[in-house]
Amino acid sequence: AQKVTQAQTEISVVEKEDVTLDCVYETRDTTYYLFWYKQPPSGELVFLIRRNSFDEQNEISGRYSWNFQKSTSSFNFTITASQVVDSAVYFCALSDLEVSSSNTGKLIFGQGTTLQVKP
Amino acid sequence: GAVVSQHPSWVICKSGTSVKIECRSLDFQATTMFWYRQFPKQSLMLMATSNEGSKATYEQGVEKDKFLINHASLTLSTLTVTSAHPEDSSFYICSASVLGPYNEQFFGPGTRLTVL
Repeated sequence: AQKVTQAQTEISVVEKEDVTLDCVYETRDTTYYLFWYKQPPSGELVFLIRRNSFDEQNEISGRYSWNFQKSTSSFNFTITASQVVDSAVYFCALSDLEVSSSNTGKLIFGQGTTLQVKP
Repeated sequence: GAVVSQHPSWVICKSGTSVKIECRSLDFQATTMFWYRQFPKQSLMLMATSNEGSKATYEQGVEKDKFLINHASLTLSTLTVTSAHPEDSSFYICSASVLGPYNEQFFGPGTRLTVL
């Protein structure tokens, strides 16, 4: 069975601090996608990144960076120099890589981590 | 980019009434649409997956007769909460996807349902 675990329920930091959100996943599939989404108080999910299981390169996008390690089944997300606007709930998610008649590509979400960045 | 809308964005209804929520892909044709439910401070839980022109596939524990899903076209799916009760109050989110190499889902803004 597929499962995503975000052990950190809530994190509180002061602005400009770096913060890492942890994500550990379980799957029997050898090919899969991993995602991170941001959900601000408005509720609308904001797509942040998609990574396929073939690509273990770390990625950096501005203040955001992601560390994918298949050996530990982890896909951690780091925000550098956090800002108040980063305050939101962040979800890690997993889906199958290949969509077929037996696999619809549904997303399995982790429990989410609420990040509060204080000024 | 791909845009998905939901209507209404919020709804308050009396217990026992039925509520219909629409999910539309505005600038693309969605082969599959997903319906999620999110309770306060909880994660998104997939309720069902629907493909255009076929019956929805419900996740275990989701009542088919309670949550009616219709996917009549490649741009529209509807979720009807029948005989709603206070415990059905939740945030309902739809997403739409297109068969392709990236397995990407585009999410709607969500509908907040409050049943009195």
